[in-house]
Amino acid sequence: QKEVEQDPGPLSVPEGAIVSLNCTYSNSAFQYFMWYRQYSRKGPELLMYTYSSGNKEDGRFTAQVDKSSKYISLFIRDSQPSDSATYLCAMSPFSGGYNKLIFGAGTRLAVHP
Amino acid sequence: GAVVSQHPSWVICKSGTSVKIECRSLDFQATTMFWYRQFPKQSLMLMATSNEGSKATYEQGVEKDKFLINHASLTLSTLTVTSAHPEDSSFYICSAMGAGANEKLFFGSGTQLSVL
Repeated sequence: QKEVEQDPGPLSVPEGAIVSLNCTYSNSAFQYFMWYRQYSRKGPELLMYTYSSGNKEDGRFTAQVDKSSKYISLFIRDSQPSDSATYLCAMSPFSGGYNKLIFGAGTRLAVHP
Repeated sequence: GAVVSQHPSWVICKSGTSVKIECRSLDFQATTMFWYRQFPKQSLMLMATSNEGSKATYEQGVEKDKFLINHASLTLSTLTVTSAHPEDSSFYICSAMGAGANEKLFFGSGTQLSVL
């Protein structure tokens, strides 16, 4: 079993839809959770960074962490074609512990006009 | 946000040659840099952690003599793929972590290596 599981998709939605992206994990030591967006043949770009459980909102993006269920989500409201990319979840057991950062395989999202 | 520049963005080389990839933090000093490898439709796999002025720490299964890492300054780390073979063809990505407000991880744009 992988430490972090993420449905690879692809996920295809119409413009304006609400998108829900999810990851599950098995290591209860994870406390820091991130979502990255990666366009084709580019490096990942940090979208959201959260600590422990709870919600965090930034513009059209909302990140949720449910540590009791070992489940994290990223919601995108009013999705746009420019949101079409691969979304990677990532998590670490401690702050700045990027050598322990585990990535999901990424979910490919396509938003069509 | 902080900017990390990676160069070249793509390179094609003959089998047996060496290739050097550069990773620079442009507007902050990176105490630590990381090198990843990513195969198509797969996640990023950490290859090594690079600290300025010290030897890199390699992940299990990564050949340190094949993937030479040099972190000569707080703004530059290089990855050299020595005696490249077709199985080394992959997308290589670097990332840099600063201190304080830049403690988050910032990624370069990646290098697509194709070994013929």
